[in-house]
Amino acid sequence: ETGVTQSPTHLIKTRGQQVTLRCSSQSGHNTVSWYQQALGQGPQFIFQYYREEENGRGNFPPRFSGLQFPNYSSELNVNALELDDSALYLCASSLRGQGGLGELFFGEGSRLTVL
Amino acid sequence: TQLLEQSPQFLSIQEGENLTVYCNSSSVFSSLQWYRQEPGEGPVLLVTVVTGGEVKKLKRLTFQFGDARKDSSLHITAAQPGDTGLYLCAGDYANSGYALNFGKGTSLLVTP
Repeated sequence: ETGVTQSPTHLIKTRGQQVTLRCSSQSGHNTVSWYQQALGQGPQFIFQYYREEENGRGNFPPRFSGLQFPNYSSELNVNALELDDSALYLCASSLRGQGGLGELFFGEGSRLTVL
Repeated sequence: TQLLEQSPQFLSIQEGENLTVYCNSSSVFSSLQWYRQEPGEGPVLLVTVVTGGEVKKLKRLTFQFGDARKDSSLHITAAQPGDTGLYLCAGDYANSGYALNFGKGTSLLVTP
């Protein structure tokens, strides 16, 4: 168990709707990253939050947005859902300042199905 | 995006056999990580390799980073059913120092 918790674990939405996914990072960690894992694929980097600001972003459109709160927990918001957004959304927490990649601790993910 | 290609995509072997999975790229990575993911769970870090030519061992698992830091391999000796899972390699995303670029993974099934 990594100490990273995500909610909800499963959810079903329809095209055009909006979704919010939540992540509580491991105690002592100050950085949260979000990844999208489509079926049969490896995780793809969406963005990272450090000190409540977006620190870096992958190749995802602006309808993917996020927040980090003072307690380092985080939210991922996706607007105008499309069928291709169906995937496992993974949150990973880490402690920035160690240099290099460091160790990422992943949650169990939120499985989103868009109909 | 720097592509990481993993092979084979699927591997089904019997308990006790040895196996090697590969991770290749045309790009140089400052470091590379291997993860194992079980169904319904997030990836768990196995190892980080940093230096070209580096070899690391974790019990029956041996990891190697290529001399040019473009490729890596994972060798499992005497595989056990508990080794079943998706093995993912991941490198620094655009050498950012903070984000990972994952391969598609090798799905391993070890049967008793």
